[in-house]
Amino acid sequence: EAGVVQSPRYKIIEKKQPVAFWCNPISGHNTLYWYLQNLGQGPELLIRYENEEAVDDSQLPKDRFSAERLKGVDSTLKIQPAELGDSAVYLCASRPSGGFSGELFFGEGSRLTVL
Amino acid sequence: AQRVTQPEKLLSVFKGAPVELKCNYSYSGSPELFWYVQYSRQRLQLLLRHISRESIKGFTADLNKGETSFHLKKPFAQEEDSAMYYCALLGWGGAQKLVFGQGTRLTINP
Repeated sequence: EAGVVQSPRYKIIEKKQPVAFWCNPISGHNTLYWYLQNLGQGPELLIRYENEEAVDDSQLPKDRFSAERLKGVDSTLKIQPAELGDSAVYLCASRPSGGFSGELFFGEGSRLTVL
Repeated sequence: AQRVTQPEKLLSVFKGAPVELKCNYSYSGSPELFWYVQYSRQRLQLLLRHISRESIKGFTADLNKGETSFHLKKPFAQEEDSAMYYCALLGWGGAQKLVFGQGTRLTINP
């Protein structure tokens, strides 16, 4: 079992450029999360999906961030245009649907550096 | 509002010494509390949950509702315990949202 797969692992871009991150959750996990982790901070929720529906996107800065999970499996998080303050690690996590035991399965993260 | 506070960014102890990583929370209801760990070059993973009242890798954590705390303890630290530790809170209701603290980097010195 590969676990949650994220790509790219590292991305360096100049400010105002677009960037996209991809996540493939564990097979059968219908609930998917994107978290933002700034340096020296804990993960902060950006968006949660149940299948293809975004059920909690209240923390997603919608002016520049967007996400999609068209077929209820893989998900993409996009930033356009990127700003210096977006430099962070973007974590994807998944879990089975239904009752939440508190255990999330995280990917290795995508580290973004905006110059 | 849900909030988790880990007052120590860094904690360094010697091998064999006791370890206590502090966690305080703010939540109006009855939360569930968790500890997550991230070892070097590994992904973030669940260490233990308060509801299970279990000991994992020698670590235990007791939920103290009076003090709104969930400190992680281990009587004898080992070098392989060096990692980032995050306390997390799950509030009930429709959100099903896991809120993390800022994390504590634990270093065990030989």
